[in-house]
Amino acid sequence: AIQMTQSPSSLSASIGDRVSITCRASQDIRNDLAWYQLKPGKAPELLIYGASNLQGGVPSRFSGAGSGTDFTLTITSLQPEDFASYYCLQDHTYPRTFGQGTKVEVK
Amino acid sequence: QVQLVQSGAEVRKSGSSVKVSCKASGVTFNSFAFSWVRQAPGQGLEWVGGIIPLFGKTNYAQKFQGRVTITADESASTVYMHLSSLTSDDTAVYYCAREASIWRWGQGTPVTVSS
Repeated sequence: AIQMTQSPSSLSASIGDRVSITCRASQDIRNDLAWYQLKPGKAPELLIYGASNLQGGVPSRFSGAGSGTDFTLTITSLQPEDFASYYCLQDHTYPRTFGQGTKVEVK
Repeated sequence: QVQLVQSGAEVRKSGSSVKVSCKASGVTFNSFAFSWVRQAPGQGLEWVGGIIPLFGKTNYAQKFQGRVTITADESASTVYMHLSSLTSDDTAVYYCAREASIWRWGQGTPVTVSS
């Protein structure tokens, strides 16, 4: 199975900060990677698909980059509603695998 | 518009099993794969398994092999996840998702396992 190593596991940031989260795949997954935001009591919200494509309705402060094995989610100016957990997901092969998650907290 | 509607919350005893359904609408059912994902309290997202209805092919996470069975009923446009030998560790919200370049998700089904 492809392992997705996500880092950091948590981070503290302030409103307006630039935040980056990385996922590294244990083998080449081309651009078959998505980023999700997770808030308590809500279904996962898709932010980025195909490694760098912004899902409709998602603010442009979110962006994704990378291909192959190394991927990054960036939030350019953190807003109050962005304090949440974030997960990467590879759907290149079965079994599908998620990163361990990153919790973005208030500094 | 793709819509996935899951069955309601379930409460089970340890050692029993549960079957959760996910009805798809607004989608050509056999054209896509479907996955089941869960989130336990305070934990991350975990892929349980998936099915490609057109081929009847299933894939399961190693962790759930032997305990989970995912099936599809094309006539009802519905996928099912059956999980057996439940323990308290299986307490979670279970989501179905239609796979594509953009995954679409159901609303989630809480499953509570009590001893």
